[in-house]
Amino acid sequence: RKEVEQDPGPFNVPEGATVAFNCTYSNSASQSFFWYRQDCRKEPKLLMSVYSSGNEDGRFTAQLNRASQYISLLIRDSKLSDSATYLCVVILSGSNYKLTFGKGTLLTVNP
Amino acid sequence: DAMVIQNPRYQVTQFGKPVTLSCSQTLNHNVMYWYQQKSSQAPKLLFHYYDKDFNNEADTPDNFQSRRPNTSFCFLDIRSPGLGDAAMYLCATSRDRSGTSGRDTQYFGPGTRLTVL
Repeated sequence: RKEVEQDPGPFNVPEGATVAFNCTYSNSASQSFFWYRQDCRKEPKLLMSVYSSGNEDGRFTAQLNRASQYISLLIRDSKLSDSATYLCVVILSGSNYKLTFGKGTLLTVNP
Repeated sequence: DAMVIQNPRYQVTQFGKPVTLSCSQTLNHNVMYWYQQKSSQAPKLLFHYYDKDFNNEADTPDNFQSRRPNTSFCFLDIRSPGLGDAAMYLCATSRDRSGTSGRDTQYFGPGTRLTVL
């Protein structure tokens, strides 16, 4: 089992659609979880940290299910500018700093 | 306001010619990281500094070295670049390495794209 596994994508959706990304992680004792977005040939940018209680930032909602070792990201009312690769990132138990990246899911929002 | 700054944004060097990439931060974070990212791959951690303490990843080639003269600056030195070292080099910072209260959240600079001729 891969340490961090994401939906392979790509996702192509129309503007205004709701899209959900899923991610699972292998190490049940992991403590820190993030969603980053990365535009083509640019750096990863932090989208959200993911907390146990779930968290929301505008159109973006992140959820964590520790029992299932599952993280999700929901984007509502998607915009053209949401087109990017979305990276699920975990700091696995046993490391207090090393980011383990999923392979990323490419989202294209179409007009 | 730029928080993690990398210079240059694009660097071209010749095979075997040493090159230095620069990173600076205005966040006063304790930890600075260097990653290598090749096309269609996830960033790969090369090493990091926790304050002045250097931490090398086990699989980082000896060709890659780093210096952190002060809190704000960190350099990546590639002693003898090979064609396989062409990549995007990303600097990142975090306040700490612990997992509490977001102190381990890493913020990336814009990267330096290295071309080796």
